[in-house]
Amino acid sequence: ETGVTQTPRHLVMGMTNKKSLKCEQHLGHNAMYWYKQSAKKPLELMFVYSLEERVENNSVPSRFSPECPNSSHLFLHLHTLQPEDSALYLCASRQTSGGYNEQFFGPGTRLTVL
Amino acid sequence: GENVEQHPSTLSVQEGDSAVIKCTYSDSASNYFPWYKQELGKRPQLIIDIRSNVGEKKDQRIAVTLNKTAKHFSLHITETQPEDSAVYFCAASIGSGYSTLTFGKGTMLLVSP
Repeated sequence: ETGVTQTPRHLVMGMTNKKSLKCEQHLGHNAMYWYKQSAKKPLELMFVYSLEERVENNSVPSRFSPECPNSSHLFLHLHTLQPEDSALYLCASRQTSGGYNEQFFGPGTRLTVL
Repeated sequence: GENVEQHPSTLSVQEGDSAVIKCTYSDSASNYFPWYKQELGKRPQLIIDIRSNVGEKKDQRIAVTLNKTAKHFSLHITETQPEDSAVYFCAASIGSGYSTLTFGKGTMLLVSP
């Protein structure tokens, strides 16, 4: 295990539902990331939190709402999604001090929007 | 912002052959270049990385080369094995602070026994 966990692993939701994705890291890292991985596309960075403060929002639609209550937990709240939002959502964490450090990924949540 | 191009998108080799995957980047300020391997249904995992102060790095059967002038870097896998079959992603970043990574589109490597 890499120390980054995500729940749920699979999620099917309708366009009018509200759901949340959860990420937890047990590595003592101070930065956390949400990525979207769609078929035949590069990993797309969605949000970055550093020291619990959102430092990047890559033009993500407002139907995706992140929350970082502490340095170990990251949520992605989903509301009125579209079918094209179906993808694998990956969380990652990293320690920003001490030079170049690896981003550790979680296993992802496979989201299907009907 | 940074743009990373990766080629080829798929690569099929016979077991024992070498495989080379190439990436180019656009931002000359990028100084950290990791490679991730993602097996089917699993998370991406770092296999090797290189900083801009070196031109080559090797770890057993895998090596990465970096040409800062041309802004390209490559992954070399020698003596490929079926378990090397996966999608490989290159990435580039300015490796300081919270260090966002810009990824290439990935290369699906298939190693046939």
